[in-house]
Amino acid sequence: DAGVTQSPTHLIKTRGQQVTLRCSPKSGHDTVSWYQQALGQGPQFIFQYYEEEERQRGNFPDRFSGHQFPNYSSELNVNALLLGDSALYLCASSLTGLMRTEAFFGQGTRLTVV
Amino acid sequence: AQKVTQAQTEISVVEKEDVTLDCVYETRDTTYYLFWYKQPPSGELVFLIRRNSFDEQNEISGRYSWNFQKSTSSFNFTITASQVVDSAVYFCALSEAGTSGTYKYIFGTGTRLKVLA
Repeated sequence: DAGVTQSPTHLIKTRGQQVTLRCSPKSGHDTVSWYQQALGQGPQFIFQYYEEEERQRGNFPDRFSGHQFPNYSSELNVNALLLGDSALYLCASSLTGLMRTEAFFGQGTRLTVV
Repeated sequence: AQKVTQAQTEISVVEKEDVTLDCVYETRDTTYYLFWYKQPPSGELVFLIRRNSFDEQNEISGRYSWNFQKSTSSFNFTITASQVVDSAVYFCALSEAGTSGTYKYIFGTGTRLKVLA
């Protein structure tokens, strides 16, 4: 049973560019959440997708957008990249409505903006 | 506002020592869940333990144990007889309910544990 997979693992972009990160959830999971983890910090919630809709959003600007596909996989898009967007981006999958169950995380995409 | 505080930034212990990682949380919810995750250098967050707000019974699972005290809003995690492979960053997280049955995690800033041989 494959866990959460993310691609690419590493990425280097230039300021002002746009980037797309991808995530495939754990088999059987229907909800995907994205987190940003700056160096030395804990993960910060970006947004969450369920039934192809954004259900919750953290304190991130509109430059951050996402999408969920019918097969539950998801994309995170960031426009007009800033140096401060450099971070590890983690995808988590879970089952909606089951607060008691843990989320499963991928290994993340390390984004460097130069 | 919900908040998770891990005051210990870094802890170093010698192999076979016991180590306790502290976590203090703030929430207005009556129903919530607390989690501990481990993050090795590979980056993936690995689930360790979970506790709900209605169950204050402390448990032991192998070398892991936890102490949940609702009165002090603390959820501490202990590793017994630490091993070098336990070296990682440990995160405490609070599950916060959102809309439509969804929920998100609020993480602390993490504690880096170094176990020396």
